[in-house]
Amino acid sequence: DIQMTQSPSTLSASVGDRVTITCRAGQSISTWLAWYQQKPGKAPKLLIYKASSLESGVPSRFSGSGSGTEFTLTISSLQPDDFATYYCQQYNSFSEGFSFGPGTKVDIK
Amino acid sequence: QLQLQESGPGLVRPSETLSLTCTVSGGSISSSGYDWGWIRQPPGKGLEWIGCIFHSGTTYYSPSLKSRVTISADTSKNQLSLKVNSVTAADAALYYCVRRPVGYGADVWGQGTTVTV
Repeated sequence: DIQMTQSPSTLSASVGDRVTITCRAGQSISTWLAWYQQKPGKAPKLLIYKASSLESGVPSRFSGSGSGTEFTLTISSLQPDDFATYYCQQYNSFSEGFSFGPGTKVDIK
Repeated sequence: QLQLQESGPGLVRPSETLSLTCTVSGGSISSSGYDWGWIRQPPGKGLEWIGCIFHSGTTYYSPSLKSRVTISADTSKNQLSLKVNSVTAADAALYYCVRRPVGYGADVWGQGTTVTV
């Protein structure tokens, strides 16, 4: 398994804030990384794939960057609908599995 | 519009086999360019990738679950299935069926089905 870590585990922010979440992989995964948003009682929603490609229909305030072992998800101006938990997932190698990070909860400050 | 619907027993006894089905509508699991998989989420915890299957029948599993998991597909019914053997309390979770375009993230998710052990 490729181990994934995320920081912080919880983030308190206000509407309008710029928010950055970091995801690190235990080994290089090139840009094979996705970001998801999950709200309570709902299935996760794909936001970003290939580290920096925005999924269709996702607001442009979301952006992703990084390659190798370090990645970031940035929300340029936090909106009320963005309070949720965010997960990264690597999909570098089928044989090693597509592991997820532990999640980052973004809540209201 | 593609929809995925998981189904199966909500309660499984320890040491028995968990069996779930995912029915796909609005698209075909025989389409190339996608894998179809399972992801689970224990109550109050994070997401865990279980494995996936291609239209060719090729399967891949999480190394930590590989010895107990089987994913298969029935193209005539447009369904995937998941079996987990020798379940313990650690297998209690919300199980999601997902579609993933190759090279992308999982873009379509079912609503999930809860399994209690």
